[in-house]
Amino acid sequence: EAQVTQNPRYLITVTGKKLTVTCSQNMNHEYMSWYRQDPGLGLRQIYYSMNVEVTDKGDVPEGYKVSRKEKRNFPLILESPSPNQTSLYFCASSSGLTNEKLFFGSGTQLSVL
Amino acid sequence: GESVGLHLPTLSVQEGDNSIINCAYSNSASDYFIWYKQESGKGPQFIIDIRSNMDKRQGQRVTVLLNKTVKHLSLQIAATQPGDSAVYFCAETPWFGNEKLTFGTGTRLTIIP
Repeated sequence: EAQVTQNPRYLITVTGKKLTVTCSQNMNHEYMSWYRQDPGLGLRQIYYSMNVEVTDKGDVPEGYKVSRKEKRNFPLILESPSPNQTSLYFCASSSGLTNEKLFFGSGTQLSVL
Repeated sequence: GESVGLHLPTLSVQEGDNSIINCAYSNSASDYFIWYKQESGKGPQFIIDIRSNMDKRQGQRVTVLLNKTVKHLSLQIAATQPGDSAVYFCAETPWFGNEKLTFGTGTRLTIIP
């Protein structure tokens, strides 16, 4: 089954404790992206990657890092999480030819205390 | 800055009736628009798209209308069903194939049995 898998689904952490949210897709997609979703603000893009070893900042990249060492994986790293990073995070992928058929993961609800 | 927004945050519709969800966009250069559906606890899912050289596009029970003059987009769902209850997002991008999607804040559609 074609899917984007994020882990963990829920995460509670404390300020400053490094964490990684993993994202994996099994569709051989070139394009992958991370979004955060906050009430009243919709989905905002954090980082995206057009292919292996190619990453670019989205609209809200501050406080986040990503890597794309393999085509299927696109982890989101928070080196020193802060409470304003409490949010619902989505990873997405597409074939890259056109991005309309973005496939989204089920989301990771992160709470930073 | 540019923004994509929705007129109404919530909409309740009787099962079997038609529903219309509206979206306003401010970037007159936007070329490509997409509607996503997000069910509770899931990631957004592609519904239908339209390019700026079109006024209307139909899918299965859904129709998207684009009015470039007033920069307005709408999603019509015919004969609504309980499974249509979700949050609906419009998104836009400057050109077809561009990787940066700008999402609206979403409208919650509730179907009344």
